Amino acid sequence: QKEVEQDPGPLSVPEGAIVSLNCTYSNSAFQYFMWYRQYSRKGPELLMYTYSSGNKEDGRFTAQVDKSSKYISLFIRDSQPSDSATYLCAMADNTNAGKSTFGDGTTLTVKP
Amino acid sequence: EADIYQTPRYLVIGTGKKITLECSQTMGHDKMYWYQQDPGMELHLIHYSYGVNSTEKGDLSSESTVSRIRTEHFPLTLESARPSHTSQYLCASSELGGRGANEKLFFGSGTQLSVL
Repeated sequence: QKEVEQDPGPLSVPEGAIVSLNCTYSNSAFQYFMWYRQYSRKGPELLMYTYSSGNKEDGRFTAQVDKSSKYISLFIRDSQPSDSATYLCAMADNTNAGKSTFGDGTTLTVKP
Repeated sequence: EADIYQTPRYLVIGTGKKITLECSQTMGHDKMYWYQQDPGMELHLIHYSYGVNSTEKGDLSSESTVSRIRTEHFPLTLESARPSHTSQYLCASSELGGRGANEKLFFGSGTQLSVL
């Protein structure tokens, strides 16, 4: 079983929809939780970073971490065609600094 | 502008050739990484470095080698390319030290390697 499981997608939504992207994990030592966005033929870019549990909001994006359930989510409000990309969750613990474990990614298409 | 650069973007090469994938960053980061990514699959760490003259193997076994002679430069070399090496190779960097600093990765645009 993989340490990080990500909802596989693909996901297609109309412009303006609220999008929920989700990952579950099995390693209770994970403390750092990241979401990366990857456009086609580009490298991933860091979108959201959260330490431990809780919510973090940045514009239309909200990251949620529930360590008790080992579940993280990324919400996108008022989705735009420019949000069409692959979203990767990533996690790390203190003992393996810098060695993040990634999910397989969820490909999102936002249709105008 | 601070950034991380990878060349070439695309490389098609025959079996048995020696290749070097270049990666340079202008952000002054100490840590650098090489990841391998296949379509629809997770990123796999193949090499990383804490700084000059430091290199470590990652979680995924790889026949490639790396060097870190300068802080800004982290090239990856394959001595004899094979079709099984066909993949996207992503270079990344991060700051060293400080809670969470290591986890904020900055990626290059990648090199798509095809070995015939």
